[in-house]
Amino acid sequence: QQQVKQSPQSLIVQKGGISIINCAYENTAFDYFPWYQQFPGKGPALLIAIRPDVSEKKEGRFTISFNKSAKQFSLHIMDSQPGDSATYFCAALLGSNYQLIWGAGTKLIIKP
Amino acid sequence: KAGVTQTPRYLIKTRGQQVTLSCSPISGHRSVSWYQQTPGQGLQFLFEYFSETQRNKGNFPGRFSGRQFSNSRSEMNVSTLELGDSALYLCASSGGGRPDTQYFGPGTRLTVL
Repeated sequence: QQQVKQSPQSLIVQKGGISIINCAYENTAFDYFPWYQQFPGKGPALLIAIRPDVSEKKEGRFTISFNKSAKQFSLHIMDSQPGDSATYFCAALLGSNYQLIWGAGTKLIIKP
Repeated sequence: KAGVTQTPRYLIKTRGQQVTLSCSPISGHRSVSWYQQTPGQGLQFLFEYFSETQRNKGNFPGRFSGRQFSNSRSEMNVSTLELGDSALYLCASSGGGRPDTQYFGPGTRLTVL
């Protein structure tokens, strides 16, 4: 019940296309859902985050869509660029025990 | 503000040895979390400290331990190293009482031979 399931494991998208990464969870006590971006040789960095009282959040080309009833959330990258090539992690915070639960990650490759 | 720093960046040890990794959080941050990252395993949570207290611990054997000092700097120790402990160890700090927005360091790459 503490898991966050992320898919796909890897994704190849043409430059200019839309990249979509999905995550699903079971525990309705999660109250914060961030996405992190990690480049090779670097630690993950927060990209965008959403709380469950909001269905969508957009920051530039990055959008989180949140479906509370389905217990799913997804990251959409519009107009994907080669510089977006990285590993993306979704996560969910269980505030009551101070722990972020992480998805397994998606390796995104944007082909020029 | 300076970011999260981790030392050393690279470390090579042999089986059976022990190792201590250090993490200095962003100034003013009181929460420090540690993760193990291996290819195909994603980020595995080790433990989280807040104001010198361990608030949560992941499913790792007792060989993995940590502590946090009064200045919020944290160390993690792995005793009796095994080959499977080879990984990137990441430290992340958070400013508030909840570890929601975590700022990661570059990690320490540990290789066990």
